Amino acid sequence: GAGVSQSPSNKVTEKGKDVELRCDPISGHTALYWYRQSLGQGLEFLIYFQGNSAPDKSGLPSDRFSAERTGGSVSTLTIQRTQQEDSAVYLCASSSQPSGTGSLSGGYTFGSGTRLTVV
Amino acid sequence: AQKITQTQPGMFVQEKEAVTLDCTYDTSDPSYGLFWYKQPSSGEMIFLIYQGSYDQQNATEGRYSLNFQKARKSANLVISASQLGDSAMYFCAMREGLGGTGGFKTIFGAGTRLFVKA
Repeated sequence: GAGVSQSPSNKVTEKGKDVELRCDPISGHTALYWYRQSLGQGLEFLIYFQGNSAPDKSGLPSDRFSAERTGGSVSTLTIQRTQQEDSAVYLCASSSQPSGTGSLSGGYTFGSGTRLTVV
Repeated sequence: AQKITQTQPGMFVQEKEAVTLDCTYDTSDPSYGLFWYKQPSSGEMIFLIYQGSYDQQNATEGRYSLNFQKARKSANLVISASQLGDSAMYFCAMREGLGGTGGFKTIFGAGTRLFVKA
């Protein structure tokens, strides 16, 4: 597609339920990132996928959070046993595959985010 | 560990005037990239400008310029001729390294909210 697509745009769930958030990156973008933004806060890195390499999961806040990327394209972020502190906007971004020093210049293209509310 | 600091939670500027948004960073990696993003009230994140650690010239993109002072580890964003539509949250970000085990993870500062007054 023309941009990064995220679904759903809004999700309200009960505490303790599992949720799945979907990200469809720009076609041809091999790098995909998940960030979390709590109300009025900056972006918190969660996880990064680059091609067929093992993902960088260093930002996942707990083992309730997991993500996968199938076929090098669509990614799903899963939060198990949701808690109220998980309420935030979850942003996905993609970028072209980097190669060499010039690759650092690429800014990300972000999706519109999924606003998750845990009640 | 990499770190990004934006010390101005909020800034006001008169329409048509220039404004500087501060950003300092900390990294031990000699290869890194610095970015600025704009987030309007709609919530979308818009990439504005990039500066590479080896770039000799300060980056410019239209009304945006990045005042890169490597020795001071600062990467301030300058917006010239402010417009009402510039009112938004602005995030400074940094990406370390050339990949490998460090990957291309980008970290973001806490942001500065800019208000442009008519």
